[in-house]
Parts: sequence; C-alpha cells; structure tokens
Amino acid sequence: AQSVTQLDSQVPVFEEAPVELRCNYSSSVSVYLFWYVQYPNQGLQLLLKYLSGSTLVKGINGFEAEFNKSQTSFHLRKPSVHISDTAEYFCAVSGPNFGNEKLTFGTGTRLTIIP
Amino acid sequence: EPEVTQTPSHQVTQMGQEVILRCVPISNHLYFYWYRQILGQKVEFLVSFYNNEISEKSEIFDDQFSVERPDGSNFTLKIRSTKLEDSAMYFCASTSNYGYTFGSGTRLTVV
Repeated sequence: AQSVTQLDSQVPVFEEAPVELRCNYSSSVSVYLFWYVQYPNQGLQLLLKYLSGSTLVKGINGFEAEFNKSQTSFHLRKPSVHISDTAEYFCAVSGPNFGNEKLTFGTGTRLTIIP
Repeated sequence: EPEVTQTPSHQVTQMGQEVILRCVPISNHLYFYWYRQILGQKVEFLVSFYNNEISEKSEIFDDQFSVERPDGSNFTLKIRSTKLEDSAMYFCASTSNYGYTFGSGTRLTVV
C-alpha cells in the first residue's frame, strides 16, 4: 500500500515570488507520482507526472517537480507565481501497474497568492 | 482531446433516497474508477471496475454503494439509501496506458 503526506495545508505566497509545495510518499514497491490542481468548484487537472527517466519533470503552467527516491519526495515548484495559480494542489501516488491501479491522494495544499 | 463526462453536475437529494451518478468514460479505456471528495478534504478512492466487475473497493464502498456498466458507454455509481455524510463531490475516472482522465465531478448534497 502507498501513502502520501503533504506537509503544508496552506501556503500563502506573494505574486511573482517562488513557491515549493512539499510531498512525501511511502511505498514498499516502485511508484508513479502525480500532481493535480483543483481550482475552486472544479475538477482535477493533471499538472505533471513522474513515470520514469529524468527525475526533473516539467508540467503545465510553468510548474515542475523533482523526484527524489532517497528522500521519498516529489516536491512541486514554480519560480514565479501568478494570481491565477490560487488553487488546491494534490500530490498522488500509484503503484507500478500504471493505468490499472488506484491513485492515493495527499490531503492537499491550498496555495493562496497575495497581490 | 477525449473527455470523461459526468452527469449531473449537481444533485440534491433527501436522506434515504436512492441516487445514481452517471459517467461516460473515454471509449477505448478499460479501467474505470469512482473517487469521493468530502468538502475540504482529500480525494478518496471508492472503487475500480474492469472487465465488467469490481477489481478493488475501499472500506467506504459498503453495501449501500454499487457500480454498473449497463451498456458499452455508461458507468454508474448508485447509492441506495443516502445519508447526510454521503454529501461530497464524486469523481469518475478512466485510464489507459498513458494515465488517468478525471471527469469534472458531481456535487451530491444530501438534505
């Protein structure tokens, strides 16, 4: 079984400042990792995913994340945030049977951008 | 780009009533899922469905819940006798070898 810990429930950041949203996972098997964004009253949109290969993954809207196996982390970063980045961000993990395994989500981080 | 379609977007029902949430997965996907998100909380796995049967279910998915793929396109979640605590956003998803696609959700409010 897998689990995900998102250490920060809320992160306020000034506009144009950098941001890092932290995610740690636990698993006894190899995993695939995901970040999803949820805008108010909307569904889940995939930001990026790590399946294999380069540990630095680039996603949509200028976000990137780095997979660190030794620290079991998959932190999300953006060098300069915009007001439109205000949303809830969920880290998720699945087991090695990609495409036919459930996702386990973290509790989410609410990112608030301060003008 | 193909989408997962969920209907209705909002549903209000009285406690004890049956509700059916509907989903149209992407046509060539083989695995289908339901997830639930209680307001302000994390997204939780309910059930996965493959080859016309449940492949995995969570503790949440008790006898009040059932899923069905009544034809070649629809995938439904039925709650037989709704409780106040069933109020949540329900997400359908389908998967391919390239990953998950989520629907936009159905907000269920039990009053």
